[in-house]
Amino acid sequence: EAGVTQFPSHSVIEKGQTVTLRCDPISGHDNLYWYRRVMGKEIKFLLHFVKESKQDESGMPNNRFLAERTGGTYSTLKVQPAELEDSGVYFCASSQDRHTEAFFGQGTRLTVV
Amino acid sequence: LAKTTQPISMDSYEGQEVNITCSHNNIATNDYITWYQQFPSQGPRFIIQGYKTKVTNEVASLFIPADRKSSTLSLPRVSLSDTAVYYCLVGRGGAGSYQLTFGKGTKLSVIP
Repeated sequence: EAGVTQFPSHSVIEKGQTVTLRCDPISGHDNLYWYRRVMGKEIKFLLHFVKESKQDESGMPNNRFLAERTGGTYSTLKVQPAELEDSGVYFCASSQDRHTEAFFGQGTRLTVV
Repeated sequence: LAKTTQPISMDSYEGQEVNITCSHNNIATNDYITWYQQFPSQGPRFIIQGYKTKVTNEVASLFIPADRKSSTLSLPRVSLSDTAVYYCLVGRGGAGSYQLTFGKGTKLSVIP
C-alpha cells in the first residue's frame, strides 16, 4: 500500500514567487493534515481537512498560505507570495479518523532565497 | 494543548532497554498520549499510542500511570537503527481537530 506522498521533495524559489506543494494521502483516509518545521523550530500544525472541508486552520500563519483539497483526495498548499521566513520543511499526514495514527509523508523542503 | 517535557538527548549501548519519560502535567481528560520517531530527512513515524495503563506493540511499550501526568516509552534491546528523535505528544481526543503538538523531542543515540 502506498504511503503519504509529497511533491516536490525540494523546491528553491525566489522571494515573491509562488509555490504549490502537493500531498497525496493514503487512499481512503478522510483526515489530512499539514505541518511545517521552520529552521531551528519545532514541527507546527498548520491545518486539518476532513474530506474536502477545513476542520481546523488555526495554525495557518497568514493569508499568504492557501490550502485546498478539492474532491477530498489530494491536497495542495500554495504560498503566494513566498517570503524568506517561509523556508522550512512542510509535512503532510493522513489518518483514517481523528484518533488513529497519522501517517506522515517525507516532507517538502522549501527554500526561499 | 498540553505541553510536554522530555529529555533533550540520551545515549544507549546496543542491546540495552531504553526508557524515555515524558511529563505532561496539564493533560486533559480526552487527551491521548502518542509517541513518534523521526529519522533525518524523513517525516515522523507513529510508534505507539495510549490513554492509560500499559500498551504494547511489536516495537515498543508505553507505560502510563494512573494520574496520566507522565508516560514512559520503553524500547527493548535497541539497535543502531533506533538512533532517531523521539517525540511525545498529547493530543485532543474530543470533537474537532486532532492536531499533534510536537515539542523538541529526545534525540536518542545508540552506540555500538
